[in-house]
Amino acid sequence: AQSVTQPDIHITVSEGASLELRCNYSYGATPYLFWYVQSPGQGLQLLLKYFSGDTLVQGIKGFEAEFKRSQSSFNLRKPSVHWSDAAEYFCAVAVDDKIIFGKGTRLHILP
Amino acid sequence: DTGVSQDPRHKITKRGQNVTFRCDPISEHNRLYWYRQTLGQGPEFLTYFQNEAQLEKSRLLSDRFSAERPKGSFSTLEIQRTEQGDSAMYLCASSSSGGLRTEAFFGQGTRLTVV
Repeated sequence: AQSVTQPDIHITVSEGASLELRCNYSYGATPYLFWYVQSPGQGLQLLLKYFSGDTLVQGIKGFEAEFKRSQSSFNLRKPSVHWSDAAEYFCAVAVDDKIIFGKGTRLHILP
Repeated sequence: DTGVSQDPRHKITKRGQNVTFRCDPISEHNRLYWYRQTLGQGPEFLTYFQNEAQLEKSRLLSDRFSAERPKGSFSTLEIQRTEQGDSAMYLCASSSSGGLRTEAFFGQGTRLTVV
């Protein structure tokens, strides 16, 4: 079955440090992949998406993600995090006109 | 356009009662999705509509759940005879006719607590 795995439930980084959130997917065909962010009391916001083409995708708020077919991965990166990046991050894959989400990674920022 | 709107934002109900949630999608978005999110989990797909047609329902959507989108605009999700296990955040999203190749916009959700 198609699925998304986010191996890290919690990640803590210092403000200004670089960030990488891991995501692995299981899907037979070329996947449509997404990263969403959910802040407390806020709805899910799309950070970026990959459908085809360039495997390095730029998103909003300075985030980027790299699609690696050989590793079935779509990791999210940011070179320097800000305290406002503290939130829950969800990797997701589109399957048959619906989005399947991972369980999320909660990002904590140390001052 | 103010985005996807959900009402109410919070609902506390006693076990066994019926509840109904409303979702107003972004105008002219013909696809509408319902998801459920429990603590520590990602959103789980429940059902989706293309205009007024309900095209898919998850096995998570038991017989106590029913969703409608009567005129292809707003949608309602009703839960009958609520159980404590129904306590969750119910999320609505909408997208244009390009489906998931375009962005799906999510509402802020309705948090249901069954006591």
